[in-house]
Amino acid sequence: AQSVSQHNHHVILSEAASLELGCNYSYGGTVNLFWYVQYPGQHLQLLLKYFSGDPLVKGIKGFEAEFIKSKFSFNLRKPSVQWSDTAEYFCAVNPITPGTYKYIFGTGTRLKVLA
Amino acid sequence: NAGVTQTPKFRVLKTGQSMTLLCAQDMNHEYMYWYRQDPGMGLRLIHYSVGEGTTAKGEVPDGYNVSRLKKQNFLLGLESAAPSQTSVYFCASSLGQGMVRKAFFGQGTRLTVV
Repeated sequence: AQSVSQHNHHVILSEAASLELGCNYSYGGTVNLFWYVQYPGQHLQLLLKYFSGDPLVKGIKGFEAEFIKSKFSFNLRKPSVQWSDTAEYFCAVNPITPGTYKYIFGTGTRLKVLA
Repeated sequence: NAGVTQTPKFRVLKTGQSMTLLCAQDMNHEYMYWYRQDPGMGLRLIHYSVGEGTTAKGEVPDGYNVSRLKKQNFLLGLESAAPSQTSVYFCASSLGQGMVRKAFFGQGTRLTVV
């Protein structure tokens, strides 16, 4: 079955520390990849996406992610986190299968940034 | 246990026609959501509901109406379809506000407006 794994469930960092959140998926075909963020009390917000082309994608708020096809990974990075980055982060995969439309989310990573 | 079921799976409408998409969940979830997925974009929230009889606007509500008369059903209506509403629509449900961790998504509805 298709699935998305996020290895870190809870991460605590100090401000200015670097961040890397892991995301691996299980699907052998073409995929669209996303990272979403959910701030406390708010709905999902798209951070960045990969559809094709340069595997290093840049998103909002200084986030970036790298698609490594051979590793089925799409890890999220930020060089220097801020207190306002405290939120829950979700990796999502949209497998491209003709005639079917799926959206598979990872279980999420709760990030807490200490001021 | 069916989870979240969307009907129909595919539909082609003419501009100006109306239709209703049905989302049904059998998990007794309070929260239900309608999203649209367009090429090159992520999910965008259209409307959501935090319980039976309640609805609220999301990010892109214009041109859509919703109703949650029964807890298990969340209907998305298009009164006068426009080509800009050509999209794939996803319904989701969850127990509470921390939706995505334990959210369930429907299989999607591909709507084409010509």
